[in-house]
Amino acid sequence: GAGVSQSPSNKVTEKGKDVELRCDPISGHTALYWYRQRLGQGLEFLIYFQGNSAPDKSGLPSDRFSAERTGESVSTLTIQRTQQEDSAVYLCASSYRTGGAGGNYEQYFGPGTRLTVT
Amino acid sequence: SQQGEEDPQALSIQEGENATMNCSYKTSINNLQWYRQNSGRGLVHLILIRSNEREKHSGRLRVTLDTSKKSSSLLITASRAADTASYFCATDLYYGGATNKLIFGTGTLLAVQP
Repeated sequence: GAGVSQSPSNKVTEKGKDVELRCDPISGHTALYWYRQRLGQGLEFLIYFQGNSAPDKSGLPSDRFSAERTGESVSTLTIQRTQQEDSAVYLCASSYRTGGAGGNYEQYFGPGTRLTVT
Repeated sequence: SQQGEEDPQALSIQEGENATMNCSYKTSINNLQWYRQNSGRGLVHLILIRSNEREKHSGRLRVTLDTSKKSSSLLITASRAADTASYFCATDLYYGGATNKLIFGTGTLLAVQP
């Protein structure tokens, strides 16, 4: 079946502009995650959605960052008033579910959106 | 700070040799997972080992987990040039139950020379 898809694959924007990144998770996956990865570094957790529960926003670096998810489908990550330090690859992942006996399930990642702020 | 830290940060070996990467973490976990990333894009899940398991195999991969030392190792046997990638461990923290996210380490960059 189809994997996690993200769009756009690349985005170049001017400093101060807003950007919106999209993620389509695998159908049936109730958990969805956003990560940021700066060049040569590890993954930085941003936000997590699980079903209809309140999202875990503990990783969002500032109030310029926000994300929404429609039910158990598409999610959008919005960055307002972009700064050069926002330049990174933004990765989305989904998993069948989370928590419960044995802990979290494996995550399936999309190809990412490479954001460049000039 | 990141829960998991991989060691070494970078590893270069010849094709056919074995590659060993280590991961250390700080708090109790439900499970630990290893992922591979090619060319700075999406990650691919390799293997999951639960806190009550000590060793797991998948093809040329062997993962060990020592909860007393809070460490895990990933062994790739008979490496191939196609194994060149970054490898990350991810821990599922335990706070009296499962949490809702994985915490990824900083990664090991593996280069397999043909």
